[in-house]
Amino acid sequence: GAGVSQSPRYKVAKRGQDVALRCDPISGHVSLFWYQQALGQGPEFLTYFQNEAQLDKSGLPSDRFFAERPEGSVSTLKIQRTQQEDSAVYLCASSTISKAEGGQETQYFGPGTRLLVL
Amino acid sequence: AQRVTQPEKLLSVFKGAPVELKCNYSYSGSPELFWYVQYSRQRLQLLLRHISRESIKGFTADLNKGETSFHLKKPFAQEEDSAMYYCALSGFVYGNKLVFGAGTILRVKS
Repeated sequence: GAGVSQSPRYKVAKRGQDVALRCDPISGHVSLFWYQQALGQGPEFLTYFQNEAQLDKSGLPSDRFFAERPEGSVSTLKIQRTQQEDSAVYLCASSTISKAEGGQETQYFGPGTRLLVL
Repeated sequence: AQRVTQPEKLLSVFKGAPVELKCNYSYSGSPELFWYVQYSRQRLQLLLRHISRESIKGFTADLNKGETSFHLKKPFAQEEDSAMYYCALSGFVYGNKLVFGAGTILRVKS
């Protein structure tokens, strides 16, 4: 079946511009994660949704970052007044619900959106 | 604080040589450890997890709680193993977010 998709794949923004990044998770996946990956670094957690509920937004770097998943499927990560330090690859991942036993369900990653802020 | 350390940015080996990608972690509790791999022009994907105790593509990793390590090993490297490898841990209350290391590039030379 189709994997996680993200759009756009590349985005160039002028400093101060607002951007919106979209994630389409695997159908039926309850959990959705956003990560930010700066050049030369591993992905860093931004926020987590279970269905439409945003249960953890502890990784969002500032109040310029906002994420939503209003119907429990597609999610949008919005960055307001972009800054040069926002330049990174933004990764979305989805999984089925985590179980108490047997460990975490596998997270499936999208291809990412590469954001460049000039 | 939860942290994953991969001390090598780049590991270059010859085909057929053994490979060991190092990973150390710090976590107060019982984390779950993973290795993710990203081949050229492909997306990040799970390679293996310690809880499964299985070998994938000839790779194995053993969780050593005493040394807080989860090194990835393969006895004989193949050219198609060339990729970026990330060690990650999870173990949080909500949704099991992943904490990643900075990654190690494995280059297998012919």
